Parts: sequence; structure tokens; C-alpha cells
Amino acid sequence: ILNVEQSPQSLHVQEGDSTNFTCSFPSSNFYALHWYRWETAKSPEALFVMTLNGDEKKKGRISATLNTKEGYSYLYIKGSQPEDSATYLCALFLGDYKLSFGAGTTVTVRA
Amino acid sequence: DAGVTQSPTHLIKTRGQHVTLRCSPISGHKSVSWYQQVLGQGPQFIFQYYEKEERGRGNFPDRFSARQFPNYSSELNVNALLLGDSALYLCASSLVVGTPLHFGNGTRLTVT
Repeated sequence: ILNVEQSPQSLHVQEGDSTNFTCSFPSSNFYALHWYRWETAKSPEALFVMTLNGDEKKKGRISATLNTKEGYSYLYIKGSQPEDSATYLCALFLGDYKLSFGAGTTVTVRA
Repeated sequence: DAGVTQSPTHLIKTRGQHVTLRCSPISGHKSVSWYQQVLGQGPQFIFQYYEKEERGRGNFPDRFSARQFPNYSSELNVNALLLGDSALYLCASSLVVGTPLHFGNGTRLTVT
């Protein structure tokens, strides 16, 4: 069983503040790391696919970094807005056929 | 283009019954995967089909089965339902294995 851990489980952010959270995974046999955003009553939406150590990806105010040697990825939200409220899932792909998901970090942005 | 569509959206079944969940992938996507998500956990992999063949199976009992049709749509079947099968069942499609998954809105199954 592949252990993908996300912390914290949940966090509350004031509108306009920036925040970040972590995805940790076993560093061996790394192939790719996926980030998904899952808003209430919607389907999970892919944010980033990261493959290289040191990778940095950005989409609007959301960015992510990857450290495959130490087995973690950070996702950053700059200047949080209410529409950023969602559960953010990371998932590890080992090159076979499935994604192994973490339990997610639920972000609530307070107006 | 239409996204991944799943039906039904909600379903209530009794223990011991059988259920069939359906999924239509995005046009052109040949890979379809099924995931089970229970509250407080991340989605757990059930099956992956590519080009109508089962390419992977997660740690689920034989009561769970699936298939993919020539038009790449897919069905997930669960026999002899247990209370613990109550969950959100997500279908996802992708162009090929390893590319980002495109999820449907899921089927919420409640077993009473």
C-alpha cells in the first residue's frame, strides 16, 4: 500500500492571505505527481502534473513545487479568494495504471 | 466537448442487491478508471480499462467487476452489496495512462 500523506487535513484562510500545504510520498520509484482541485458539488479537476525534481508549475494564483529526492510537494495559493475554497488532492503515479491519492487538504477561504 | 458523464447521480440499494454504474468518457479518451471515495479518505482505485481490456485492479473483492464497451463507455458492477459499499464512485477518463484524469461528478451509492 502506497502511503501518500497530505497535511494539514484542513485549513481556514482569510480572504487575501496566502497559504500553502504539503503532499508527502515515498521518494523511491517516483514517476509523476498529480494535483487536483475538488470543489463542492463538482468533479475533481486536474491542476498540475509534475515529473521532474525541482519542477515548479503555476496556474493563476496557484503554484506547486516538487522535491522527489525528499518526497514532498508544496501547493501554494497566493492572495486566497472565496473561489479557492475546495479540497486539494495530490496523487502519485508510479508508471503503472493507477493514481494513489492522499486524503486531501480542505481549504476554506473566509470573506 | 462533453465531459465525463456518470449515471445515475444517486442510488439507494438494500444489502445483498446488485448495482450497475455507468460512465461515458470524454470523446477520444480510451482509458477509463473507477475510484471509490468514502468520507475522509482520498479516492481509492478500483479498476482501469484501456482499449476495452482490464489493465489494472485495485484491492477490492470479486464482488466488484467492470467492463469497457467498443465505444469506450464503461460499467461498474457490484454484487451482494454491503453497508460498507456506501460511497461516492468516481469514473475518470484520460487520453492514455498517466495523463491527467478527467473525472465525472460521481454516483453516490447508499446501501441500507
